[in-house]
Amino acid sequence: DTGVSQNPRHKITKRGQNVTFRCDPISEHNRLYWYRQTLGQGPEFLTYFQNEAQLEKSRLLSDRFSAERPKGSFSTLEIQRTEQGDSAMYLCATRDRGHSGELFFGEGSRLTVL
Amino acid sequence: AQRVTQPEKLLSVFKGAPVELKCNYSYSGSPELFWYVQYSRQRLQLLLRHISRESIKGFTADLNKGETSFHLKKPFAQEEDSAMYYCALTGGQNFVFGPGTRLSVLP
Repeated sequence: DTGVSQNPRHKITKRGQNVTFRCDPISEHNRLYWYRQTLGQGPEFLTYFQNEAQLEKSRLLSDRFSAERPKGSFSTLEIQRTEQGDSAMYLCATRDRGHSGELFFGEGSRLTVL
Repeated sequence: AQRVTQPEKLLSVFKGAPVELKCNYSYSGSPELFWYVQYSRQRLQLLLRHISRESIKGFTADLNKGETSFHLKKPFAQEEDSAMYYCALTGGQNFVFGPGTRLSVLP
């Protein structure tokens, strides 16, 4: 197991285009989180899944953002009609069923909207 | 509302000097507190958690519920400690992170 995997690592797109990011969690980690990080800021919570159920969404997640985890394994984060303000690092983190509280992060997907 | 503040964006110390990275939080219940670290060109990873009351790489952090603080301390900083440090809390599901402090340990 190589840890949490995210792709693509980098995405450059023009304003108005749609983009999709994928996160593959550590095996048997049933909890999956998406965060957004901009320069000089800490990770900002976007959404959280337990298995395939999306349990919480931040108000940062506008109608243009949608996340899925169809079989409780990998997850996708789609941004429709991208805006320049969407440029950021999108981080995925997963956590196991226990109570250790440790989040395991992927390397992130960096989005640049021109 | 859950909130984590880290007042210092950048902290520079000389090798061998003590270091303290400050973290304050607001939370209505009893949160779990963590310190995460990101070394250059590496992913974010857990450094330590308050429940374990452990020392990792010489770092310790004590939860002070009266002052709602969880400061990270190390008596003798090393150059390899240079990194971004994030304080985080959880009430059980969501994790909230502070803005981070960049620690630079000078030779």
